[in-house]
Amino acid sequence: GAGVSQSPSNKVTEKGKDVELRCDPISGHTALYWYRQSLGQGLEFLIYFQGNSAPDKSGLPSDRFSAERTGGSVSTLTIQRTQQEDSAVYLCASSPTGTGNQPQHFGDGTRLSIL
Amino acid sequence: QQQVKQSPQSLIVQKGGISIINCAYENTAFDYFPWYQQFPGKGPALLIAIRPDVSEKKEGRFTISFNKSAKQFSLHIMDSQPGDSATYFCAASDYKLSFGAGTTVTVRA
Repeated sequence: GAGVSQSPSNKVTEKGKDVELRCDPISGHTALYWYRQSLGQGLEFLIYFQGNSAPDKSGLPSDRFSAERTGGSVSTLTIQRTQQEDSAVYLCASSPTGTGNQPQHFGDGTRLSIL
Repeated sequence: QQQVKQSPQSLIVQKGGISIINCAYENTAFDYFPWYQQFPGKGPALLIAIRPDVSEKKEGRFTISFNKSAKQFSLHIMDSQPGDSATYFCAASDYKLSFGAGTTVTVRA
């Protein structure tokens, strides 16, 4: 079956612009996560959606970052007024449920470069 | 503050040899410990995982050893092959994943 799909695979934009990153989770998975991978910070959690519950936004680095998940499926991560330190690979993962002991499956990410 | 500490940062092993990567954690709320393999330009791929009520899990050439009292776990790659050359991440989960810093493994033919 299809895995987690992310688009675009690469995005180059100028500092100060807004960007939207998209994630299509594995069909039937109720939990969706966003992570960020950068050279300096490694892999870090950003935000978590589970079903219809309020998202856990505890990992978002600033109020320029936001995310939504429509219809319990597709998710969009939005970064407003991008800064150079936002350059990273943004990874989306999904799991069958939101419990801790469920495997999370990752997409190949969006490589974001801020000029 | 990194919740999972991983070592070594990199290692080189001959084909057929054993690769060992170690991780340690502090948060006793973690209840799931996966290992991921990542190739350049790709997302992390789940390799093998263990729950804290089990001390060892083996899948093919990959084995996790888990020591709950020491809050440590490790990955052993047996009979290492050139195709195993990749970056390996340990992680710990309470619902979200906390990752180690990664280990770059190079297998020399």
